[in-house]
Amino acid sequence: DSGVTQTPKHLITATGQRVTLRCSPRSGDLSVYWYQQSLDQGLQFLIQYYNGEERAKGNILERFSAQQFPDLHSELNLSSLELGDSALYFCASSPSGPPSNEQFFGPGTRLTVL
Amino acid sequence: EDKVVQSPLSLVVHEGDTVTLNCSYEVTNFRSLLWYKQEKKAPTFLFMLTSSGIEKKSGRLSSILDKKELFSILNITATQTGDSAVYLCAVEGGSQGNLIFGKGTKLSVKP
Repeated sequence: DSGVTQTPKHLITATGQRVTLRCSPRSGDLSVYWYQQSLDQGLQFLIQYYNGEERAKGNILERFSAQQFPDLHSELNLSSLELGDSALYFCASSPSGPPSNEQFFGPGTRLTVL
Repeated sequence: EDKVVQSPLSLVVHEGDTVTLNCSYEVTNFRSLLWYKQEKKAPTFLFMLTSSGIEKKSGRLSSILDKKELFSILNITATQTGDSAVYLCAVEGGSQGNLIFGKGTKLSVKP
């Protein structure tokens, strides 16, 4: 158990819908990272927040957005969902900002878009 | 474009065998290379390498980095069925210092 929690574990929804994934980092970690893992693309970095501020942005679609709250938990919002958004979404945390150093991964949220 | 390439993509061995997994990279602003093990769900951290030629070791696993030739290897000796997993290599770098992952090597250890 890494100490990073993610909810929900599974999410099934329809195309065009909007969902919110939630992540609580390890106690004391200031950085939260979001990743998307699909069979053909592997683990893709989406976005990083450090102490409430966006720090780095990867291959995140405009339909996706994230934020980190004062209590350091983070939410990833996915809207206008498409079939291709079906994937495993991981959150990871680390004590500091870039350099990333060692990141601790949560158990993931499996999103299925029908 | 920054990239991390792992080989082989999959590997089947028998218990007791020794395996070597490869990771090559072309990443700007290199800071470190990390290895993760992914079983059913979340990747778990194995090693972080920053200096060339210094072997990191943990039990039957070891890893080394060559910053001149831009690659790393992960060795597993006396493999066990519990070593079956996807092994991910990630390089910290690029324009924003985030982790760039390879697609992984799927290792299957048969009894």
